[in-house]
Amino acid sequence: EAGVAQSPRYKIIEKRQSVAFWCNPISGHATLYWYQQILGQGPKLLIQFQNNGVVDDSQLPKDRFSAERLKGVDSTLKIQPAKLEDSAVYLCASSSEGRGTQYFGPGTRLLVL
Amino acid sequence: SQQGEEDPQALSIQEGENATMNCSYKTSINNLQWYRQNSGRGLVHLILIRSNEREKHSGRLRVTLDTSKKSSSLLITASRAADTASYFCATYLMGTSGSRLTFGEGTQLTVNP
Repeated sequence: EAGVAQSPRYKIIEKRQSVAFWCNPISGHATLYWYQQILGQGPKLLIQFQNNGVVDDSQLPKDRFSAERLKGVDSTLKIQPAKLEDSAVYLCASSSEGRGTQYFGPGTRLLVL
Repeated sequence: SQQGEEDPQALSIQEGENATMNCSYKTSINNLQWYRQNSGRGLVHLILIRSNEREKHSGRLRVTLDTSKKSSSLLITASRAADTASYFCATYLMGTSGSRLTFGEGTQLTVNP
């Protein structure tokens, strides 16, 4: 079974630029999550999708962050414009409906200069 | 906000010794999970313990849960250098607006050969 795929693995941008991350969850997993993990901290949930609908985006900075999952499979997370404090690892995870275990991708390491 | 708080923040032991990490949390939970993260990579699910369980084993891992004290511990027996990683506890709660997995700050475990 293929795991959660993410791209790119690394991205370096200057502040005020925009950036997008892509995630392909495990086949059949209805729930998809985006987390932000700042160095030395635990992951923080940004947004949760159930199929193509948003379940929880209460911690998403909506003035600069956006995410979509149009066909209920792949998802993209965008930051526009980026700030220095957005430097972090962005993790995508997926889970089967009704189960608590989440499966994580390798993450995208973002550095904002 | 972070729900779980791990203790200690860092732990260094010799190969063959046991490692114990503790986690405290603040609210009700449906289950508590432990994840491992190797340097700069995604998280891997280790073990899940339900709120009505007190102890669970998986290979060299032993997890306990005390819901009255809102605490959990992860014991790794006969540690190996390959166990070097960050370990995170995460509390899972299902609510009317969906479910959420909330991570703590993690314990950095170093196993010296």
